[in-house]
Amino acid sequence: QKEVEQNSGPLSVPEGAIASLNCTYSDRVSQSFFWYRQYSGKSPELIMSIYSNGDKEDGRFTAQLNKASQYVSLLIRDSQPSDSATYLCAVTPPLSGATNKLIFGTGTLLAVQP
Amino acid sequence: NAGVTQTPKFQVLKTGQSMTLQCAQDMNHNSMYWYRQDPGMGLRLIYYSASEGTTDKGEVPNGYNVSRLNKREFSLRLESAAPSQTSVYFCASRPYRVGQPQHFGDGTRLSIL
Repeated sequence: QKEVEQNSGPLSVPEGAIASLNCTYSDRVSQSFFWYRQYSGKSPELIMSIYSNGDKEDGRFTAQLNKASQYVSLLIRDSQPSDSATYLCAVTPPLSGATNKLIFGTGTLLAVQP
Repeated sequence: NAGVTQTPKFQVLKTGQSMTLQCAQDMNHNSMYWYRQDPGMGLRLIYYSASEGTTDKGEVPNGYNVSRLNKREFSLRLESAAPSQTSVYFCASRPYRVGQPQHFGDGTRLSIL
């Protein structure tokens, strides 16, 4: 079992719809969770961080964390064609300490259709 | 507001050649990382440096060496390039405080012929 799993997609949604991206992780005591957006040919860009159970909203983006079920999700409201990208889920593994390593999923490709 | 700067942006090498990828950050971050990204494989950690003066192997270290020159700079060296090392290489940095995200450079696109 991979440590961080994402559906590779593509996830296709019409413009204006809600896009829902999901990520599961294997280690129950993981601490910190991040969503990165990566446009084709570009580097990963941080869009959300979440550390405790529940929802965290930032503009059109909402991150949801459920530690008991070991999943983290990203909702994008009013999806725009400019949101079309690969979304990477990243998790800080337990006992990472000063190494501050992250474990990345392989990403979900989102395509927003005009 | 440079953040993480990688050089070069593109490079083509012949099998057996050597080269060094450079990375510098101006955010006073303690930790720095080198990743490679291949289609379908996601980001794989090559080497990292938790703090100045320390380096450790990541998931795929074979064929690479690193140097943490100072707090700002972390270089990745390919001693004898192989076609399997054709990839996009990303450098990232992160503050010391546990739980903070990593910040990425723009990447180096490397082709080995």
